[in-house]
Amino acid sequence: NAGVTQTPKFQVLKTGQSMTLQCAQDMNHEYMSWYRQDPGMGLRLIHYSVGAGITDQGEVPNGYNVSRSTTEDFPLRLLSAAPSQTSVYFCASSPPVGGYTFGSGTRLTVV
Amino acid sequence: EDKVVQSPLSLVVHEGDTVTLNCSYEVTNFRSLLWYKQEKKAPTFLFMLTSSGIEKKSGRLSSILDKKELSSILNITATQTGDSAIYLCAVGGPNDMRFGAGTRLTVKP
Repeated sequence: NAGVTQTPKFQVLKTGQSMTLQCAQDMNHEYMSWYRQDPGMGLRLIHYSVGAGITDQGEVPNGYNVSRSTTEDFPLRLLSAAPSQTSVYFCASSPPVGGYTFGSGTRLTVV
Repeated sequence: EDKVVQSPLSLVVHEGDTVTLNCSYEVTNFRSLLWYKQEKKAPTFLFMLTSSGIEKKSGRLSSILDKKELSSILNITATQTGDSAIYLCAVGGPNDMRFGAGTRLTVKP
């Protein structure tokens, strides 16, 4: 009964480093999304996927890449970390109709 | 540009009080409005509303959508300290959900 599993929970990066945030879901959901949450700004959509092999940009995609090779996995890559990417990142999945199930989040600090 | 605005930004009440949280939206293509509760970690889904005037209810929580006024309210009756959380409103579909900034509710004993 795992739902959406995100790793790591915490990460500190130096400016310019790259990393991948992992996300996996076991509910066979078609839709998966990545959001970032910053104080006072709510959740903002970075990238989303409507199925394996299909991804698209959300509201704040710059500096991030995604891929969806399987229904279960939807990793988020930071190409060259910047202090502006310090945030809490959430992965979410959903069926075509209904609410998101969110992962537990990754708190990322870029120094 | 699509936007979702929640009010108030924060609210402090005492146990037993009833609270009403507001969400208004301006979006080009409305499909659904959803409410989430966020405690320490990830948001958890509460309600999805698609039709005006139909109340969704779960225990002490209820919500209703007014498409004419482009708004929704979330009511919590007989509040408990466990209701303390950030309540998020979101509008859209599964690939373009736009969230409001949230209402931080604090329930004091």
